[in-house]
Amino acid sequence: GNSVTQMEGPVTLSEEAFLTINCTYTATGYPSLFWYVQYPGEGLQLLLKATKADDKGSNKGFEATYRKETTSFHLEKGSVQVSDSAVYFCALSSSGGYQKVTFGIGTKLQVIP
Amino acid sequence: DGGITQSPKYLFRKEGQNVTLSCEQNLNHDAMYWYRQDPGQGLRLIYYSQIVNDFQKGDIAEGYSVSREKKESFPLTVTSAQKNPTAFYLCATNQAGEKNIQYFGAGTRLSVL
Repeated sequence: GNSVTQMEGPVTLSEEAFLTINCTYTATGYPSLFWYVQYPGEGLQLLLKATKADDKGSNKGFEATYRKETTSFHLEKGSVQVSDSAVYFCALSSSGGYQKVTFGIGTKLQVIP
Repeated sequence: DGGITQSPKYLFRKEGQNVTLSCEQNLNHDAMYWYRQDPGQGLRLIYYSQIVNDFQKGDIAEGYSVSREKKESFPLTVTSAQKNPTAFYLCATNQAGEKNIQYFGAGTRLSVL
């Protein structure tokens, strides 16, 4: 079956530091890949997505590239802010038929001033 | 204001009691989902529904029940058979053709008294 692997964290960074959160996946076919963000006490929001190999998703300074050869979709941001503190979920949706979404366990990011 | 409304925000259950969590959407989306979120386990799918009057079990359906009598509504009942109900419950929707991007409500936190 499908699976998504990411570290749980917490990842603690100083403001303006570079962020990488690793995500690797196992899936058949050509899944779509997503990063969702969850702020404290809230539901998840889509941050960015990529639907085919070599696509780069980007939003709010965050980027991730769909790497089929390494089955990865790592999230990066060049300079984090305190307001980026949240939990980040990597997810995939398999192609064809009912497109169930599989989520990773979420990585908590804490940015300190 | 378009979106997904979950209520209540906080809910307490007594031993042997059934409780119902509400999820209402005005996005006109066809599919609706219930997830359970526990620390260190990410999101796990409880039930989903792709059309009115039809729903399917997810990965952890035991101790839960749902109904889908209207397109806008997908209530979740946590029955007394669910022995460990304390968790954060998230409702989500999806429109076919959007590569399974999911839209989430703000969640209900259920605790046992």
